[in-house]
Amino acid sequence: DVKVTQSSRYLVKRTGEKVFLECVQDMDHENMFWYRQDPGLGLRLIYFSYDVKMKEKGDIPEGYSVSREKKERFSLILESASTNQTSMYLCASSSQREEVNNEQFFGPGTRLTVL
Amino acid sequence: AQSVTQPDIHITVSEGASLELRCNYSYGATPYLFWYVQSPGQGLQLLLKYFSGDTLVQGIKGFEAEFKRSQSSFNLRKPSVHWSDAAEYFCAVGTWGNYQLIWGAGTKLIIKP
Repeated sequence: DVKVTQSSRYLVKRTGEKVFLECVQDMDHENMFWYRQDPGLGLRLIYFSYDVKMKEKGDIPEGYSVSREKKERFSLILESASTNQTSMYLCASSSQREEVNNEQFFGPGTRLTVL
Repeated sequence: AQSVTQPDIHITVSEGASLELRCNYSYGATPYLFWYVQSPGQGLQLLLKYFSGDTLVQGIKGFEAEFKRSQSSFNLRKPSVHWSDAAEYFCAVGTWGNYQLIWGAGTKLIIKP
């Protein structure tokens, strides 16, 4: 069974802390994505990566950075957490094989609360 | 610019009744179309997808969707809902040559007993 795992289901941090969210996929997918989900706003893309050591900004990259040192792992970093970053964070991956047509596979999500 | 619209933020349906969730997209060519479901506190699970061919596609959990090019729509249907279908449903659109998906804002389905 294919899997995308995220390091924590729930996380509580204090304002100003550095926060790491880890995502690992076992499907040998080239593409990985970090989304933020807030009520009424759907999924908003923070960053994505098409290859190791490669990253692209999504729609809302401010306040976030990412790291992709290995193909299977994509980390989201909040350099200095703020209360407005309290949200659900979803990681996804997809293959670049043309026949799968961009289907994305999701992890269970990390609900982050910043106090 | 490409966009996806799910016009209903919430829908309430009685258990056993039929369901239709609407999705409209804006894109010049035929897109790749997806419906995902998110149960409370969970990640997203693929319900069904359309790439080409037969415009009526069957998915998991008894769901189906129909691609209508003339209406730029990909509505999700189920003939009889169960209490376990209560969840949030997301429509997404992909395009050739672009690995990203464009997401609708989601529709929350509430089931009345």
